[in-house]
Parts: sequence; C-alpha cells; structure tokens
Amino acid sequence: DQQVKQNSPSLSVQEGRISILNCDYTNSMFDYFLWYKKYPAEGPTFLISISSIKDKNEDGRFTVFLNKSAKHLSLHIVPSQPGDSAVYFCAASVSGNTGKLIFGQGTTLQVKP
Amino acid sequence: GAVVSQHPSRVICKSGTSVKIECRSLDFQATTMFWYRQFPKQSLMLMATSNEGSKATYEQGVEKDKFLINHASLTLSTLTVTSAHPEDSSFYICSAKGGGRPLHFGNGTRLTVT
Repeated sequence: DQQVKQNSPSLSVQEGRISILNCDYTNSMFDYFLWYKKYPAEGPTFLISISSIKDKNEDGRFTVFLNKSAKHLSLHIVPSQPGDSAVYFCAASVSGNTGKLIFGQGTTLQVKP
Repeated sequence: GAVVSQHPSRVICKSGTSVKIECRSLDFQATTMFWYRQFPKQSLMLMATSNEGSKATYEQGVEKDKFLINHASLTLSTLTVTSAHPEDSSFYICSAKGGGRPLHFGNGTRLTVT
C-alpha cells in the first residue's frame, strides 16, 4: 500500500524553464510534507517542507504547494538549472516533523543546458 | 560537510554471513535514528526507529531477529543484517535527528549478498 506516490518516474526540462514535480498521498493523517533531493551515491538532502496548515511555502527558486482536498503536493523549481538534475523524493509524516517519514518512489529530474 | 556518516558505503558478503552497518552523527547527539531500505526504482521504506538506550521499534513486516538494531550511544546506531541472503541485497540508509537539528541522512550502504 503506497501511501505516498510519485507517478512520474522521470522529467526532462530545459534550463531556465520551470520544473514541476508532483506527489499524491492517501493518508489524511499526514500533516507534514517534505521534499528531498538525492544525487547518486549520496543520501537525500532536505530541500523544502510544508505543514498541513499552509498551502504554499517558498524558498528561493523552490516552492511547494499543498492541496489538502486533493491530497496532492507539488514542487516548483524556477528557473531550473543543470545542477538541479537529481532524484527528488516527496515524503510525509504524521504528527509533525518527527523524522519518521513515508517516501514516494522518486522522480528523476534532468535539466538540459 | 556530512553530519551523518554511514559506513561502509558498499559491502559484498556471502550468503549466510552477517553484516554490520554503522551510522554516526558527527557533530550532534542523535536521540533518534531511523533505518531505511531502498529497492531499485522504489521508495525508501522505513524499517525501524531507534532511540538511544532503548529497543528499536520495527515497522510491520520487518524481521527484528534478522535486522538487529543497536543504538548504544547518542552518536552511533548499528544495523546488523544476520544470516544474509541474496534477497537482502539492497540499499540501506540511516537518518538521525536530535539536539534541535533537522533530520540528516547518511550516504547509504549498498549491500550485495552473493
């Protein structure tokens, strides 16, 4: 039972354009969502997060949108840069940022120069 | 620099042997550490949560006798895969939390059982 789903295994975007990565979840008890970026042979690194009491959080080029009624969140990267090429994981937790995370399958983003 | 160190990064072992993976928090005291497993093209699956000085809490379906977790100090947790079999081949990764620091992940361990 995949509670957090990233239905697009890969995404290719031109440098300078917007990258939109999507994530859906099924558990209405999730109240904290995070995005992680992962390079090969490295662990995931934290990118941005959002609490369920918000619908948007912005940090520089990265914005996360949360639509609770649709149980959907998205990560927008604009403008996209070649260095953004990596695997992006969506994760969710219950009872705030406890560290106990349920991950999606990941989306591989390729930003072409 | 890395705040969570995981060792080894790669290990190959023979079927039936045991393998120990270490996860260390380098500059903070990790009151809680988490162990995940990732199969190719799949998500990171939480295996267990360990709190310093107490027994680990395992997720449903994870064999506690096979995956031994020890969190004996505030900077070290170990995962021992006992009597490893080829189906245990996977990517194992830890994360650590504590001291008001955000969650940090190690770089993972690629285990191959032949």
